Amino acid sequence: EDQVTQSPEALRLQEGESSSLNCSYTVSGLRGLFWYRQDPGKGPEFLFTLYSAGEEKEKERLKATLTKKESFLHITAPKPEDSATYLCAGLGEEKLTFGTGTRLTIIP
Amino acid sequence: KAGVTQTPRYLIKTRGQQVTLSCSPISGHRSVSWYQQTPGQGLQFLFEYFSETQRNKGNFPGRFSGRQFSNSRSEMNVSTLELGDSALYLCASSLTNGYGYTFGSGTRLTVV
Repeated sequence: EDQVTQSPEALRLQEGESSSLNCSYTVSGLRGLFWYRQDPGKGPEFLFTLYSAGEEKEKERLKATLTKKESFLHITAPKPEDSATYLCAGLGEEKLTFGTGTRLTIIP
Repeated sequence: KAGVTQTPRYLIKTRGQQVTLSCSPISGHRSVSWYQQTPGQGLQFLFEYFSETQRNKGNFPGRFSGRQFSNSRSEMNVSTLELGDSALYLCASSLTNGYGYTFGSGTRLTVV
């Protein structure tokens, strides 16, 4: 059975303090690794899709990377508006399997 | 362009009742997937429809069902509601399976 595990569950950072979120996956026939951001009471908002090991994508203060077993979401010099839950999901042969997310809080 | 629209946004139902949720995908998107989100389990896949056909189904009881219409709009139905069905129900649309999933804001279902 496909599995996606995210760590840590929660992370508090000072504004400007860079860090990384981890996503470990075991997904049969992985066709893509997705990162989403979710704000309270809203649906997930698409950030990135990574398709092969070694691939990297960037958007503003976020950079996502992919290896054969893990993906990382690096956040550089975060701002309070980056506070949200970050979800990763692996697309296997039939469906997207989500991790339970990392709740990120940026303290001004 | 308009995003994925889910209605209603909030619902309160009594145990034993049934409920129908609606999802209108982005124009041109033919794939609609449904997910249940709870604090303990995260997002769990319910089912996926493409061109009015159910392509994949998650590990949920038969009380959970869905359908897709010719205009790609989708509905999901939950019969004989249980307290544990309280959750945020999300739908996502994409042009085809596997690429560019866009989520709606969800329907918050509370079963009392």
